[in-house]
Amino acid sequence: AQSVTQLGSHVSVSEGALVLLRCNYSSSVPPYLFWYVQYPNQGLQLLLKYTTGATLVKGINGFEAEFKKSETSFHLTKPSAHMSDAAEYFCAVSAPDTGFQKLVFGTGTRLLVSP
Amino acid sequence: NAGVMQNPRHLVRRRGQEARLRCSPMKGHSHVYWYRQLPEEGLKFMVYLQKENIIDESGMPKERFSAEFPKEGPSILRIQQVVRGDSAAYFCASSPVAGPQETQYFGPGTRLLVL
Repeated sequence: AQSVTQLGSHVSVSEGALVLLRCNYSSSVPPYLFWYVQYPNQGLQLLLKYTTGATLVKGINGFEAEFKKSETSFHLTKPSAHMSDAAEYFCAVSAPDTGFQKLVFGTGTRLLVSP
Repeated sequence: NAGVMQNPRHLVRRRGQEARLRCSPMKGHSHVYWYRQLPEEGLKFMVYLQKENIIDESGMPKERFSAEFPKEGPSILRIQQVVRGDSAAYFCASSPVAGPQETQYFGPGTRLLVL
């Protein structure tokens, strides 16, 4: 069974600072990994995903994440935070040996950006 | 191309009433997934449906909850005899094909409040 741990329910950064949101997973097989963003009163939007191939994945809005198998991590980063990045971010995992995508989500990290 | 649509966006029910949540997938998508987000928690998978078929309902509570995706019309998540613990945000997602690496597109959610 898969599980996801997101360290820090809230992360605060200043505008222009580095954003680092942590995600560790547990999976019996090499998983597929996803980061979603949720703005207030909206649905989830896919930021990026890792399935196979290059372990550094670039997504929308300048975000990227690196799959590190040895550390079972998939941390999300952005070099310079913008006010519009304030939102809730969810890491999710899906096992590749199922016939469909059954996402298992972490509890989310709320990113606060101050001017 | 309209995204995934859910209605109502907000629903208030008294204990013992029925709640019906509707989800219209994106055009051309025949795979629908329902997730529930309890307060301060991540999204949890409930059920996966294709047109007229329930494929996986392993996340559905055994009683009071049912889902359908008819040949015509939206997918419906039905909760009978609601209790306060059913208060949550219910999200629907859709995808054009099945597969563990496919992207799921999420709707804005229905926020159910049980009084």
